[in-house]
Amino acid sequence: SQELEQSPQSLIVQEGKNLTINCTSSKTLYGLYWYKQKYGEGLIFLMMLQKGGEEKSHEKITAKLDEKKQQSSLHITASQPSHAGIYLCGAANAGNNRKLIWGLGTSLAVNP
Amino acid sequence: NAGVMQNPRHLVRRRGQEARLRCSPMKGHSHVYWYRQLPEEGLKFMVYLQKENIIDESGMPKERFSAEFPKEGPSILRIQQVVRGDSAAYFCASSPQATRNTEAFFGQGTRLTVV
Repeated sequence: SQELEQSPQSLIVQEGKNLTINCTSSKTLYGLYWYKQKYGEGLIFLMMLQKGGEEKSHEKITAKLDEKKQQSSLHITASQPSHAGIYLCGAANAGNNRKLIWGLGTSLAVNP
Repeated sequence: NAGVMQNPRHLVRRRGQEARLRCSPMKGHSHVYWYRQLPEEGLKFMVYLQKENIIDESGMPKERFSAEFPKEGPSILRIQQVVRGDSAAYFCASSPQATRNTEAFFGQGTRLTVV
């Protein structure tokens, strides 16, 4: 079965610093989703990537899917306290884009 | 357009009681997914439903758990005779019927505590 590994597990950065979170799959990714979760709350959709080499940006967050479609990275530029939370990557298997498997998450803290 | 609504947000049950978790999908969405988030284990798929049909229940425990999505009303995740190991956050997500390759919209979750 497919597994997703996220790294690092946790991250503490100073406000204004850049950071990168990685999501590595044991199998080819057919759809890769990035979500953010605040403690005790639901998941907020960030981005979805499907094509090898695809890159998307939203405000100061950029996500990429590598050419081989087995790894994705999430990059935050000039981090702010509002970026703090748990970042989750979810992957769709070949047959169903809806039944997602998930990484364990990366917990991000941004110190002002 | 209201988002995915889950209720209650917090639910406390004694061992042996029943828990009923409700999920109202976004307007126009007829696909509903339930996920469970256990401490230190991440999100796990439980069941995928469309109106009046269970499409994939491969993630549901064999006993005590059931789900439905009736023609009218919210989707219900029902846990009978709860045990402490059922304590978790349960999330519901919905997506549009005819659209592929879109994000799933998540509710705020129901946090079940079994005492």
